[in-house]
Amino acid sequence: NAGVTQTPKFRILKIGQSMTLQCTQDMNHNYMYWYRQDPGMGLKLIYYSVGAGITDKGEVPNGYNVSRSTTEDFPLRLELAAPSQTSVYFCASSPIGVDTDTQYFGPGTRLTVL
Amino acid sequence: DAKTTQPTSMDCAEGRAANLPCNHSTISGNEYVYWYRQIHSQGPQYIIHGLKNNETNEMASLIITEDRKSSTLILPHATLRDTAVYYCLLYNFNKFYFGSGTKLNVKP
Repeated sequence: NAGVTQTPKFRILKIGQSMTLQCTQDMNHNYMYWYRQDPGMGLKLIYYSVGAGITDKGEVPNGYNVSRSTTEDFPLRLELAAPSQTSVYFCASSPIGVDTDTQYFGPGTRLTVL
Repeated sequence: DAKTTQPTSMDCAEGRAANLPCNHSTISGNEYVYWYRQIHSQGPQYIIHGLKNNETNEMASLIITEDRKSSTLILPHATLRDTAVYYCLLYNFNKFYFGSGTKLNVKP
């Protein structure tokens, strides 16, 4: 199993541009998450999904959108990039069930908005 | 509002036990305590979790106080490869809340 994969690894955007961060997992996990991590800080939850077709907001959803059309994929969309969105973005997945909800993280995408 | 509080950094000698504290005084009855660590800028790695009882696995031990308002992660024999940021977090209704973590420096 490849686990959780994210593309791209690095990206530089200009203010106002749009992009989609891709996330795919091959573990058949129902739950998927998007986090952002600013320098020297902990992770903050952006959006999460408990299954295909179901998404919900986390702590910092403004400026982002998500969709979950399949169990495997959970893309994160930035519509109008702003410098405040410069961050490292991590995607994660976990199996269903509270006591077994260990999250498996991808390697991250480093995004810079200039 | 931080749900967990941890010291910013700690030092530990190689081969000694590392005890990392976490305060979660507002924890609710159905919230689990999880510990993850992040080495450099990699994705966080799961270590251990628990609800009420103490837990042990091949990586670490988790001690949760009886009132559940604090916990301690124990790495029994720290190595240089354990140098990382350690996060104590709570699981609640499909969401994990990460704090700022503790930077553990293991020194030779």
